[in-house]
Amino acid sequence: QVQLQESGPGLVNPSETLSLTCTVSGGSISSYYWSWIRQPPGKGLEWIGYIFYSGGTNYNPSLKSRVTISVDMSKNQFSLKLSFVTAADTAVYYCARHISAVAAPGLWGQGTLVTVS
Amino acid sequence: EIVLTQSPATLSLSPGERATLSCRASQSVSSYLAWYQHKPGQAPRLLMYDASNRATGIPPRFSGSGSGTDFTLTISSLEPEDFAVYYCQQLSNWPLTFGQGTKVEIK
Repeated sequence: QVQLQESGPGLVNPSETLSLTCTVSGGSISSYYWSWIRQPPGKGLEWIGYIFYSGGTNYNPSLKSRVTISVDMSKNQFSLKLSFVTAADTAVYYCARHISAVAAPGLWGQGTLVTVS
Repeated sequence: EIVLTQSPATLSLSPGERATLSCRASQSVSSYLAWYQHKPGQAPRLLMYDASNRATGIPPRFSGSGSGTDFTLTISSLEPEDFAVYYCQQLSNWPLTFGQGTKVEIK
């Protein structure tokens, strides 16, 4: 069965770049869309952006100037980079899979807490 | 950006009771609406897509309805494992947005 697992530093200094990786196991990264979604403590969910396995991306306009999502098919991974972070970027970050750009993600990772401090 | 407003914020019910959750969009999203169940420390679980279609493995006590701007998620008879936070999400316009959630708690 396909599983997603987020990994990366749990603590990032303000003004630096947050970097996370999502590893896809039990299946191929091909033919799907892959997203990053986050949830600040005590708040709701926010869609950061997505990437198609072939490389096309779409980012939330509120974060677009600071976000880069990339895919590494050889490693069956995709990654998130968020630059110039502040305390407001402290959140649980989830990776997720969906079958089209407008399909609800049916598969999510467990999430990883990143604290900016 | 489309704003989704969920109500109520908290629903206090007993097992076996019926739960009715509302999600209202600031503009029409047609039927491009999904519902998720989220428990602490777990990944969100897709319940419904396209407003009224149950995702794979979701029991029939969960049902969704609505189109345009007003949507409802109904749990016909609450099981102990159903107590969680529920989010709606619109997939009509970018950026994709979520509601703030409804917490279904044990009364």
